[in-house]
Amino acid sequence: DAKTTQPPSMDCAEGRAANLPCNHSTISGNEYVYWYRQIHSQGPQYIIHGLKNNETNEMASLIITEDRKSSTLILPHATLRDTAVYYCIVRFIYNQGGKLIFGQGTELSVKP
Amino acid sequence: GAGVSQSPSNKVTEKGKDVELRCDPISGHTALYWYRQSLGQGLEFLIYFQGNSAPDKSGLPSDRFSAERTGGSVSTLTIQRTQQEDSAVYLCASSSLTNTHIYGYTFGSGTRLTVV
Repeated sequence: DAKTTQPPSMDCAEGRAANLPCNHSTISGNEYVYWYRQIHSQGPQYIIHGLKNNETNEMASLIITEDRKSSTLILPHATLRDTAVYYCIVRFIYNQGGKLIFGQGTELSVKP
Repeated sequence: GAGVSQSPSNKVTEKGKDVELRCDPISGHTALYWYRQSLGQGLEFLIYFQGNSAPDKSGLPSDRFSAERTGGSVSTLTIQRTQQEDSAVYLCASSSLTNTHIYGYTFGSGTRLTVV
């Protein structure tokens, strides 16, 4: 699975959009981009995933560049409860049951 | 159950003792994973079970660590002769192979192990 690079930390004002970048320049055509987050003292939580099209669900939006070398997770109206470590993971499309490899992630602090 | 259940939630043990950590995955989930997270660190993969296939044990840090999954459901992670460096939160996750792309993995809340 391709390697990802994320900034170690970011701040966001409550109510504003949080844009979390992820670089995956070695991604192959058969790899999905997944995002998870881990709120303090809890297990990681699945947020969203995508292959090449932009995706949106009730939690977030995922924007993937046309060359697929980077992506951005968008939390449209961040709340204090969105303070967490956010992990961007790239995984082979057919590796449905294989292990996820977590990097260091981005620690997002949402401030009032 | 509705989610992945782990027990105990906290465990304090003396150095050199053996411990067993339990994970109850979501009913019907055929894949089960163990991770550990040391204080201030990222998640470290330990072992992965999928159906009746041989488990992927590539992440186990030493032969003091072992895990089994009985009847394709409950899993137990055993750490023998615990050391202080084993202190961490041990997380279990499960997934349905047919729905992994939709729902991802579901993690439990973890067992916080402290070796004194």
